Amino acid sequence: DGGITQSPKYLFRKEGQNVTLSCEQNLNHDAMYWYRQDPGQGLRLIYYSQIVNDFQKGDIAEGYSVSREKKESFPLTVTSAQKNPTAFYLCASREGQGINQPQHFGDGTRLSIL
Amino acid sequence: AQKITQTQPGMFVQEKEAVTLDCTYDTSDQSYGLFWYKQPSSGEMIFLIYQGSYDEQNATEGRYSLNFQKARKSANLVISASQLGDSAMYFCAMREDYNFNKFYFGSGTKLNVKP
Repeated sequence: DGGITQSPKYLFRKEGQNVTLSCEQNLNHDAMYWYRQDPGQGLRLIYYSQIVNDFQKGDIAEGYSVSREKKESFPLTVTSAQKNPTAFYLCASREGQGINQPQHFGDGTRLSIL
Repeated sequence: AQKITQTQPGMFVQEKEAVTLDCTYDTSDQSYGLFWYKQPSSGEMIFLIYQGSYDEQNATEGRYSLNFQKARKSANLVISASQLGDSAMYFCAMREDYNFNKFYFGSGTKLNVKP
């Protein structure tokens, strides 16, 4: 089945450690996104990528990094510079550029500090 | 200014009744799209319904309909015949044509359906 796979489902980070969240899609979508969601809050954009080898900062990019070496993959690294990383992270993709194209989401990764 | 405002943090509805979830938006773009998503407690975001700024008819998808009032910049979601499985967070989102890569999300409304 086509879809977006995020792994792991749960992740724990030690102080000073970088961790990488995986996002893979087999929908052949060009655009991919990373969002952060804090409890009881909406989604905030971290990074997005329209095409391979290109990505743009969102509203809260500090302390995060991404890469887009393949169309199918858009991993997010939470660096030690992100002092409050505990949150729910959602990856999304979008099929085309039409204004009516929704984003499709993965099941998310819950990140906590040990 | 907030692009998307959802003023109802929580709502209760009796099973089988209809409920309206409010959403207002702010844009100066003439071409934009409005989306509603459902987020169950498991966390995934499920796309429900879309309304384009130039659409003359209100969008409908099964039990979901969108009450689109362009002059008031509101795009309220109406769920008819509520079911227990409708209990979830609901998010309104907008995408503007001039910056089509970015989606703006509201803070969400938590809907609880009572048996």
